[in-house]
Amino acid sequence: DIQMTQSPSSLSASVGDRVTITCRASQGVGNFLVWYQQKPGKAPKSLIYAESRLQSGVPSRFSGSASGSGTDFSLTISSLQPEDFATYYCQQYHYYPITFGQGTRLEIK
Amino acid sequence: EVQLLESGGGFVQPGESLILSCAASGFTFSTYVMGWVRQAPGKGLEWVSSITDTGANTYFPDSVKGRFIISRDNSKNTLYLQINSLKAEDTATYYCAKGSAAASGYYFDYWGQGTLVTVS
Repeated sequence: DIQMTQSPSSLSASVGDRVTITCRASQGVGNFLVWYQQKPGKAPKSLIYAESRLQSGVPSRFSGSASGSGTDFSLTISSLQPEDFATYYCQQYHYYPITFGQGTRLEIK
Repeated sequence: EVQLLESGGGFVQPGESLILSCAASGFTFSTYVMGWVRQAPGKGLEWVSSITDTGANTYFPDSVKGRFIISRDNSKNTLYLQINSLKAEDTATYYCAKGSAAASGYYFDYWGQGTLVTVS
């Protein structure tokens, strides 16, 4: 199984900050990488798919990128807004079993 | 507007079986992969099953293979998950999710609100 490792596990930041969350796959997954946002008590919401494509309706302050041979991925929020404080998950969909990162909890400083 | 509405969760005893349902609307159900993802209380997301558009192919992680059965009724726009021999570790919120494609190379672009299964 492909292991997805996110860092950091938690992060404190302020409104207006630029933050980056990283996700590393244990082997290459091409660009089959999606980022989700989940708020407490709510379902996950897709933000970025295919490594860097913005899901319809998602603000442009969210962006995704990759480096390495399909193993290292990043989610960047350019200017944090109050509604962005949530938990973020990466997920690979290149191979079965589909696997998620452990999540990154973004908290208000 | 895509809507996914899960039902069938509740309190069950270990060893029992349960069938979850997901009623879909707002898209052409029969042309997309559908899946189930669960989340134990306070934990992360775990994929537990997917089924291709026609229902011809189903997929499970080893952790649930043999106990979970996924199916769909395209005439009713409904997805099902049957969980057999329930264990305490199956306690979780189960989310129904729509795939972004018919069979492969898909991610989950829309999710339902979830249904809680408690095994105790």
